[in-house]
Amino acid sequence: DGGITQSPKYLFRKEGQNVTLSCEQNLNHDAMYWYRQDPGQGLRLIYYSQIVNDFQKGDIAEGYSVSREKKESFPLTVTSAQKNPTAFYLCASSMEAVGNSPLHFGNGTRLTVT
Amino acid sequence: DAKTTQPPSMDCAEGRAANLPCNHSTISGNEYVYWYRQIHSQGPQYIIHGLKNNETNEMASLIITEDRKSSTLILPHATLRDTAVYYCIVRGRPNFGNEKLTFGTGTRLTIIP
Repeated sequence: DGGITQSPKYLFRKEGQNVTLSCEQNLNHDAMYWYRQDPGQGLRLIYYSQIVNDFQKGDIAEGYSVSREKKESFPLTVTSAQKNPTAFYLCASSMEAVGNSPLHFGNGTRLTVT
Repeated sequence: DAKTTQPPSMDCAEGRAANLPCNHSTISGNEYVYWYRQIHSQGPQYIIHGLKNNETNEMASLIITEDRKSSTLILPHATLRDTAVYYCIVRGRPNFGNEKLTFGTGTRLTIIP
C-alpha cells in the first residue's frame, strides 16, 4: 500500500542532543512537509520541500534542519538549539505544492526531551 | 494563505447529519477550501476539498457559499467513529516558494450515542 511512514512512533532524548526523525513516502509525491503539534494546538509548519534538493522555511524553522536528497525521503533534525523540542511531529506529502493537491499525513513521531 | 475561523467545539447525535461551519472571508480566487480530521495521536486524515462548486465524496459533502467566504462540511449520518478534531484550511498556489500552509485549532466534534 502506498503511504507515508514516520519512524519511530515514540522517541526519547536527553537535552542537548540532536535527534533525527525519519519520513519516507512511496506515493511518488514531489512536495513534502514537516509540521509540529503541541497539546491542544493546531499544526505549525516547520519546513517544506517542493522538489528534490530544495526546501523552504516554514513559520517555526528555528532550531530545526532538513535535507531532501531523495524524492522519497525528507528527514527532520531537531537540534539542541530548539528551545522546546518536546512535541508531536507530523510529516506530510502532496503530489505538488499547489492548491488542488491534497496533503497526505503520516501517523507522527512523539518526541520527548528531558 | 487566508485565515479560517471555526467554532471550537460541537456535539451531534449519532445517526444525524453533522454540519461543521468555517469562515474564510479573506480567501482569494485561486485558493481551495480543504477539510481534514484528526483523531487523537494520529496524523490528520484528508476528507474533501473544493474551489467554488459543492463537492461530495464517500465521506462527506462540502458546501461553499457563492461568495466563497464560508463553507460547511456535512457528515450525512454521523457515527461514533466520526468523533475527532476537524480542520478547515485554505490552500493556494505557492508564491515562489512562500507556501506556508498552517492549520488552526479546528472544531472538536463529539458524536453523542
